[in-house]
Amino acid sequence: GAVVSQHPSWVICKSGTSVKIECRSLDFQATTMFWYRQFPKQSLMLMATSNEGSKATYEQGVEKDKFLINHASLTLSTLTVTSAHPEDSSFYICSASPRGPQFEQFFGPGTRLTVL
Amino acid sequence: RKEVEQDPGPFNVPEGATVAFNCTYSNSASQSFFWYRQDCRKEPKLLMSVYSSGNEDGRFTAQLNRASQYISLLIRDSKLSDSATYLCVVNAYSGAGSYQLTFGKGTKLSVIP
Repeated sequence: GAVVSQHPSWVICKSGTSVKIECRSLDFQATTMFWYRQFPKQSLMLMATSNEGSKATYEQGVEKDKFLINHASLTLSTLTVTSAHPEDSSFYICSASPRGPQFEQFFGPGTRLTVL
Repeated sequence: RKEVEQDPGPFNVPEGATVAFNCTYSNSASQSFFWYRQDCRKEPKLLMSVYSSGNEDGRFTAQLNRASQYISLLIRDSKLSDSATYLCVVNAYSGAGSYQLTFGKGTKLSVIP
């Protein structure tokens, strides 16, 4: 149990395009999902908390108009990187917990974004 | 001061060795604690939760000292498959019904034949 999927697993795009990443909880419902970004040899950094039925909560320094989050249902959250630039190239990972956000999180396999 | 600090590593140990990882956290209101492992270019996978009473799972033993704000992980009889980066993770209430995981930078372990 507690499986989280992400799609796509990798994407290469041109600068200026938008990229949508999906995060799904496959065997449980999640009112809260989390989106992280990890640069090479760095730790995971929380970007935003995705809340089903309400607006996402963004961490300081993360542009909400650039990183659009939609938590459409209890099993799906999407992150759209708008007008992507090379500096947005990173490993994007989502997480969720079947027991609630205060408990252990299970991570999706991640999406490796490369912006040319 | 960093919120979650870990041994910088890397740790290079022979098969069969015992290795210990240490971690300290700065937020005294932290409520739950975990060790994750992350393989190269993969997502973190939960290794074990950490409780004040200490807990053991096979070759892995985790300890938590809330007074010292210190967490440890002990791996006995290291296997080649234990090679990975070990992440110390702390969960704290961040207000308005929200929680936030904070990750250490991780300690890289290489188990050598």
